[in-house]
Order: sequence, then structure tokens, then C-alpha cells
Amino acid sequence: EAGVVQSPRYKIIEKKQPVAFWCNPISGHNTLYWYRQNLGQGPELLIRYENEEAVDDSQLPKDRFSAERLKGVDSTLKIQPAELGDSAVYLCASSPTPADNNEQFFGPGTRLTVL
Amino acid sequence: GQNIDQPTEMTATEGAIVQINCTYQTSGFNGLFWYQQHAGEAPTFLSYNVLDGLEEKGRFSSFLSRSKGYSYLLLKELQMKDSASYLCAVRGVGGSYIPTFGRGTSLIVHP
Repeated sequence: EAGVVQSPRYKIIEKKQPVAFWCNPISGHNTLYWYRQNLGQGPELLIRYENEEAVDDSQLPKDRFSAERLKGVDSTLKIQPAELGDSAVYLCASSPTPADNNEQFFGPGTRLTVL
Repeated sequence: GQNIDQPTEMTATEGAIVQINCTYQTSGFNGLFWYQQHAGEAPTFLSYNVLDGLEEKGRFSSFLSRSKGYSYLLLKELQMKDSASYLCAVRGVGGSYIPTFGRGTSLIVHP
């Protein structure tokens, strides 16, 4: 079974440029998460989707960040414009449902460097 | 809100036993996870505790005391490949079922 797929794995951009990340969750997983992980820190939730609906986006900086999951399968996360402080690893994860002891399956992440 | 505390770094010798502690303060409690994350890779699930006591899974065990807001991950017969960051994540109440991650403990296993 294929795991969570993310692309690109690495991205280097200059500040003020736009950037987009793509995630394809494990087949059949209804819940999709986007996390940001800074060096030496744990992942911080940015947004969670239940199918195509964003149900938890309180930590998403909405002035520059946007996300979509139009058909309830794959998802994109966009930053426009990027700032130096956005340099981090952006992790996508999925799970069958958010309940009980369901573990989250993480993708390899996209390492973003903003110069 | 949730406050999760783990040591930043630990070192241990190959073949030894190491215990990684995690203390937490939450508005309600609905489960605690441990994940392993190798450098440059994704976190992978190790364990889940929701009731007090010890859960054993091969060389890894996880303990929970809800009254003390305390958990530990015990790694036995350490191998070099166990060098990684170990993330404690706590799920509070409120219906969202989303765990909050601690900053992780970097474990270095040396020969």
C-alpha cells in the first residue's frame, strides 16, 4: 500500500514569491492534515480536512496561506507571498477518521527554504 | 490549551535501556501518542495510551499515568538505528481529536 505522497521534497524560493505544496493521502483516508515543523520542534497543525471540508484551520495564517482539497482526495497548500519565517518542513498526514486511537500517517514532507 | 514537556536531548549506549519522559498539562485528556522521527523523515507511529499502565510492543514500551500527567517511552536493547527524535503528542477533549505535539526528544545512541 502506498503511503502519503508529497511533492516537491525540497523547495528554495526568494521571499515574496509564491509557493505551493501537494499531498496525496493514503487511499480511503477521509481525514487530511497539514502541519508545519520548525527545526527542533514538533509538528504544529495548520489545517485539517474531513473529506473536502476544512474543519480546523484556526492555526492557518489566512493572510498568506491557503489550502484546498476540492475532490476530497489530494490537497494543495499555498503560501503567497512567502516570508523568511516560513522556512520549515511542511508535513501532510492522513488517517481514516479522527476518532479514537487512529494513528496519523505522515508523508516525507516538503522542506521549504525562503531566502 | 495544552502544555507538553520533554527533554531536548538524551544519549545512551548501544544495547542499553533508555527512558524518555513526557509530562503534560491539558484541559481534559483523550489519549497520548508516541512517534519516532528520523532526521529528514516523516514521524512514524509507535504507541497509543489512553488508560493508565504499561503498553509493551517488542523493544518499545509506553507508560501512562493520567493522574500525574506523565508518560514515558522505554526503549530496550538499544540499536544504532534507534537514534532519532521521539515525539510525545497529547490529545485533549473538545471533539477535534487532534493531538498536540511536544518538541521531541533527540536520542543519540553511540557504540
